[in-house]
Amino acid sequence: DQQVKQNSPSLSVQEGRISILNCDYTNSMFDYFLWYKKYPAEGPTFLISISSIKDKNEDGRFTVFLNKSAKHLSLHIVPSQPGDSAVYFCAALRSNFGNEKLTFGTGTRLTIIP
Amino acid sequence: DGGITQSPKYLFRKEGQNVTLSCEQNLNHDAMYWYRQDPGQGLRLIYYSQIVNDFQKGDIAEGYSVSREKKESFPLTVTSAQKNPTAFYLCASLNRDRGFNQPQHFGDGTRLSIL
Repeated sequence: DQQVKQNSPSLSVQEGRISILNCDYTNSMFDYFLWYKKYPAEGPTFLISISSIKDKNEDGRFTVFLNKSAKHLSLHIVPSQPGDSAVYFCAALRSNFGNEKLTFGTGTRLTIIP
Repeated sequence: DGGITQSPKYLFRKEGQNVTLSCEQNLNHDAMYWYRQDPGQGLRLIYYSQIVNDFQKGDIAEGYSVSREKKESFPLTVTSAQKNPTAFYLCASLNRDRGFNQPQHFGDGTRLSIL
């Protein structure tokens, strides 16, 4: 049962344009969401997060939007740069579960075209 | 620099052998985690430990074992009972003292292959 879904396995975007990565979840108990970026043969690195009490969080070129009623979140990268080419994972957490267990999506491979 | 070290980066195992993957952190984090990544799939939790001498099964613990004798170390043993061990294994840690909403920090992974 995939509780966190990233339905687009891959995405190609022109350099300088906006990249939008999507993530859907099914468990309404999730109340904290994170995005990780991963290069090949390396561990994921944390990018940005959002609590369910917010609908937007911004950090430089990265903005995460959360639509709780639709159980949907998205990561916007603008402007996209070649170094953004990587696999992006969204992850979800139940903060009252006491063990900080993250549930990950399957990832979206973003390719920035120069 | 503080961080998480996984070793070796590449590991080969013969059928029927147990093999242990190392994970060491000098971040003074209480919680540590082991994940497995397969092609086209997300990270799946194998085991996690929130404190020394305690650990819990994750979603896919069968065929794996762990120990947590020291705060900085959380080795994972892939046993012969794990029927499909070829994967990329990632270790992570978390500073629980700063609250639940802190990101997990990951090592660079170990790629395990069956000979």
